[in-house]
Amino acid sequence: DQQVKQNSPSLSVQEGRISILNCDYTNSMFDYFLWYKKYPAEGPTFLISISSIKDKNEDGRFTVFLNKSAKHLSLHIVPSQPGDSAVYFCAASADFGNEKLTFGTGTRLTIIP
Amino acid sequence: DTGVSQDPRHKITKRGQNVTFRCDPISEHNRLYWYRQTLGQGPEFLTYFQNEAQLEKSRLLSDRFSAERPKGSFSTLEIQRTEQGDSAMYLCASTISGGFNSPLHFGNGTRLTVT
Repeated sequence: DQQVKQNSPSLSVQEGRISILNCDYTNSMFDYFLWYKKYPAEGPTFLISISSIKDKNEDGRFTVFLNKSAKHLSLHIVPSQPGDSAVYFCAASADFGNEKLTFGTGTRLTIIP
Repeated sequence: DTGVSQDPRHKITKRGQNVTFRCDPISEHNRLYWYRQTLGQGPEFLTYFQNEAQLEKSRLLSDRFSAERPKGSFSTLEIQRTEQGDSAMYLCASTISGGFNSPLHFGNGTRLTVT
């Protein structure tokens, strides 16, 4: 049972445009959500997170939106840069302060120069 | 470099052999996690430690797997009698417990290939 779903295995976006990565979840107990970026041969790197008490969190070019009623979150990257090309994982946790994360299967983002 | 360190980066072993991986977390982090990632999947939780205590183990962690964190510093993950299905990337991560702004910091992983 895939509790965190990233339905788009890949996404290509032109440099300078907005990249939107989507994630859906099924477990209503999830209350903390994170996005990680992964380059080949490296471990995942934390990007941005959001608590269920918020619906938006921004950090520079990265914004995460949470729609609890739809059990959906999205990551917006604007403007997209070539260095953003990587695999992006959505992750969720059911307990605040508990880092036992459930990950999605990832979306490979390619930024076209 | 003060990040999470994993050793070895790659391990090739024959089915039935035992293997051991090591993880050195960020020094001030008291929580240490092990995850496993197979091709096309996201990382899956295996087990975690707070200091030296192993607090939770996933059902994915069969009897052939054992993890330790003596003295609450580095950790080892041992797989006995390896099987081809054990082939995966084994990721270690660390963090400081209890904080909202304390995401997991991952190492670069150990890639295990069982032939």
